[in-house]
Amino acid sequence: GAVVSQHPSWVICKSGTSVKIECRSLDFQATTMFWYRQFPKQSLMLMATSNEGSKATYEQGVEKDKFLINHASLTLSTLTVTSAHPEDSSFYICSARGRQGANTEAFFGQGTRLTVV
Amino acid sequence: LAKTTQPISMDSYEGQEVNITCSHNNIATNDYITWYQQFPSQGPRFIIQGYKTKVTNEVASLFIPADRKSSTLSLPRVSLSDTAVYYCLVGAHTGRRALTFGSGTRLQVQP
Repeated sequence: GAVVSQHPSWVICKSGTSVKIECRSLDFQATTMFWYRQFPKQSLMLMATSNEGSKATYEQGVEKDKFLINHASLTLSTLTVTSAHPEDSSFYICSARGRQGANTEAFFGQGTRLTVV
Repeated sequence: LAKTTQPISMDSYEGQEVNITCSHNNIATNDYITWYQQFPSQGPRFIIQGYKTKVTNEVASLFIPADRKSSTLSLPRVSLSDTAVYYCLVGAHTGRRALTFGSGTRLQVQP
């Protein structure tokens, strides 16, 4: 089946620094990628939708200047948490779907555990 | 987006069949029903998807009544490794729409 790979799997950073998380679709072209955040014992919350070659669409309450999303190619999207603070510590998960009309199953990365100290 | 309602948690024993029902009263005509499984500190994993009637694959069955206002995920003969959170999602069959996760059902399988 299709594979979505996230890197890194976990990261610890100091407060005030920035962290970049990569999401790659390994064997299909992902025109659309989604970024979710999940706090302990809670469900996944959609943060933003990124379409290849255009600006991301952020969900209400998600700061676009803090969570920078780039989707420069059909196989790579990045999420940069800028000036991270302890409250940004969470589990970040990306998801990718293929082209409309093609395989519509959503594939998820393994997630990235971010800890800000 | 259609909202889903699932039991918060369920308990079962190894070897039993587990049925998790999801309500989605406001499902739209072009919405599909998809179930995902999530283990701690991992991304969700696709289990099964359907539009109507019954769908079966190697790991589960999905039962959808004619009115499509609910669906039931059936896991035959669960094992300890089936302990996870199960999410029922309803969404359009297109690549640009995000999947919205509800609270999910936490299944605990006991020996």
